[in-house]
Amino acid sequence: GESVGLHLPTLSVQEGDNSIINCAYSNSASDYFIWYKQESGKGPQFIIDIRSNMDKRQGQRVTVLLNKTVKHLSLQIAATQPGDSAVYFCAEWGHGSSNTGKLIFGQGTTLQVKP
Amino acid sequence: NAGVTQTPKFQVLKTGQSMTLQCAQDMNHEYMSWYRQDPGMGLRLIHYSVGAGITDQGEVPNGYNVSRSTTEDFPLRLLSAAPSQTSVYFCASRPRTGNTGELFFGEGSRLTVL
Repeated sequence: GESVGLHLPTLSVQEGDNSIINCAYSNSASDYFIWYKQESGKGPQFIIDIRSNMDKRQGQRVTVLLNKTVKHLSLQIAATQPGDSAVYFCAEWGHGSSNTGKLIFGQGTTLQVKP
Repeated sequence: NAGVTQTPKFQVLKTGQSMTLQCAQDMNHEYMSWYRQDPGMGLRLIHYSVGAGITDQGEVPNGYNVSRSTTEDFPLRLLSAAPSQTSVYFCASRPRTGNTGELFFGEGSRLTVL
């Protein structure tokens, strides 16, 4: 079966440092891998995605890396700010189809930013 | 645009009661999904729809029914609530076409079954 998992449940970083959140996946046929941020009491919010034919994608202060050889996904946040404190989920479109709305989530990593 | 709107935001039910969680989106998205989120866990897919008149099961469909009579609405029905269905429920949508993996989520509906 397919699964998406995260390596660490909680990550604590100092404000201004860079954060790296990791994720392992099992379904090699996925089209997209996505990172979501969820603040307390709110719905998940899209951060960035990467297509399966790419290795790296950059956004504003965030970079996603995809290593298909070891089925590993990571989210790098530069100059982490207190507003980055949240739970971060990786997710993938299941069964190799991004047209079905069948998004599979990992369990989440809590990012704590210390002032 | 209001985006994805879920109602109610909070609901308490007794075991065996039925209810419907409403979800509406005004973005003309073909795809809509329902997820549940339990404490300390990720989101698990309950049901999804690729367009009006079409629905399919996700990872945890038992105890839930859905229908999709219009593009805008995707209600989730609990026919006989059980304590195991205590959770936060999220509705999400996305357009059929596009070059992104983004889903648009509602704010969630927190359900407690006593």
